[in-house]
Amino acid sequence: GAGVSQSPSNKVTEKGKDVELRCDPISGHTALYWYRQRLGQGLEFLIYFQGNSAPDKSGLPSDRFSAERTGESVSTLTIQRTQQEDSAVYLCASSLKDRGRRGYTFGSGTRLTVV
Amino acid sequence: QQQVKQSPQSLIVQKGGISIINCAYENTAFDYFPWYQQFPGKGPALLIAIRPDVSEKKEGRFTISFNKSAKQFSLHIMDSQPGDSATYFCAASLRSGGSNYKLTFGKGTLLTVNP
Repeated sequence: GAGVSQSPSNKVTEKGKDVELRCDPISGHTALYWYRQRLGQGLEFLIYFQGNSAPDKSGLPSDRFSAERTGESVSTLTIQRTQQEDSAVYLCASSLKDRGRRGYTFGSGTRLTVV
Repeated sequence: QQQVKQSPQSLIVQKGGISIINCAYENTAFDYFPWYQQFPGKGPALLIAIRPDVSEKKEGRFTISFNKSAKQFSLHIMDSQPGDSATYFCAASLRSGGSNYKLTFGKGTLLTVNP
């Protein structure tokens, strides 16, 4: 596609429920990143995928968070047993391999509200 | 530990004025410094970036000044326009294994340009 596509754009869920967020990167972009943006805060790194290499999960805040990516295509971020502090905008970004240094292309994000 | 400190949190400038946003970093291993612009409801978009061996980079009305010895860099927006009203994030890139270029972001500056 022309840009990074994320769905849903908004999600309201009850505390304790599981949610799944989807990211469709730019075609040909092998690197994919997930970031979290809390209100009034900068972006926090969550996880990085590069092709078929093992992902860098060092930013995941707890074992309730997990992410998958099949090859160089769609990625899903799953949050289990959601808590109110999980409320944030979840941003996905992609880049060509070795071009991430110069910055990524972000999607518009999924705004998650846990009530 | 916040590795990239950004100031001010918010900035109001008159049309035609100069907007200046400052950032300071701690980790000397950072090797690239991009700035992102974010409009409400959208993901951040890469605006301009600089390498640490360059003291200044200019693209149109946007200029990055970089002071490696002081570990500081700043964004200058000349002839600020109402359309520049957005949140601006500085960031620093760190290569973290393979092709993983992890970005650490400042907390953002909300710029308002009054007509």
